[in-house]
Amino acid sequence: QQQVKQSPQSLIVQKGGISIINCAYENTAFDYFPWYQQFPGKGPALLIAIRPDVSEKKEGRFTISFNKSAKQFSLHIMDSQPGDSATYFCAASTSGTYKYIFGTGTRLKVLA
Amino acid sequence: DADVTQTPRNRITKTGKRIMLECSQTKGHDRMYWYRQDPGLGLRLIYYSFDVKDINKGEISDGYSVSRQAQAKFSLSLESAIPNQTALYFCATAGGTGESYNEQFFGPGTRLTVL
Repeated sequence: QQQVKQSPQSLIVQKGGISIINCAYENTAFDYFPWYQQFPGKGPALLIAIRPDVSEKKEGRFTISFNKSAKQFSLHIMDSQPGDSATYFCAASTSGTYKYIFGTGTRLKVLA
Repeated sequence: DADVTQTPRNRITKTGKRIMLECSQTKGHDRMYWYRQDPGLGLRLIYYSFDVKDINKGEISDGYSVSRQAQAKFSLSLESAIPNQTALYFCATAGGTGESYNEQFFGPGTRLTVL
């Protein structure tokens, strides 16, 4: 019940294409869903986050889509660029616990 | 200077040795975390601390111990290292204000190899 399932494990996209990474959860107490981006040799860094009171959040080329009834959320990267090549982690948290449950990660490669 | 620093950045050790990984932060955050990252398993929480007197086990605490020496310092120890503790270890902090209150800030990681 505490798991966050992330797919795909790896993804290759052409420059200019759309990258889509999906996550699913079981625990309905989760109420904060961040996405972290990790470049090789670096620690993860927050990319974008959403709360379940909205169905979509957009920041530049990055969009989170959230489906509360399906208990799923996804990251869309529009106009993907080679500089977006990184590992992406979804996560989920419950207010007051200050702990994240992370997905298993997606390694994205954007071809020039 | 980096806000969250980890030392050492790389370490190779032998089975049975005691190892300490150190984390320091200049962000003034109360909450600190230790994670390990393994390919295909993502980031898993080892221990976390909400202040100097508050230490909590995460999902994979067996074989590890921690010490919160000060608000800014949180150390992870492997009392007797074993090969399956070979991994990338990350320290993170949290406790900003407003929208960033939930955000965790990660250090650069320590790559540990146990032979």
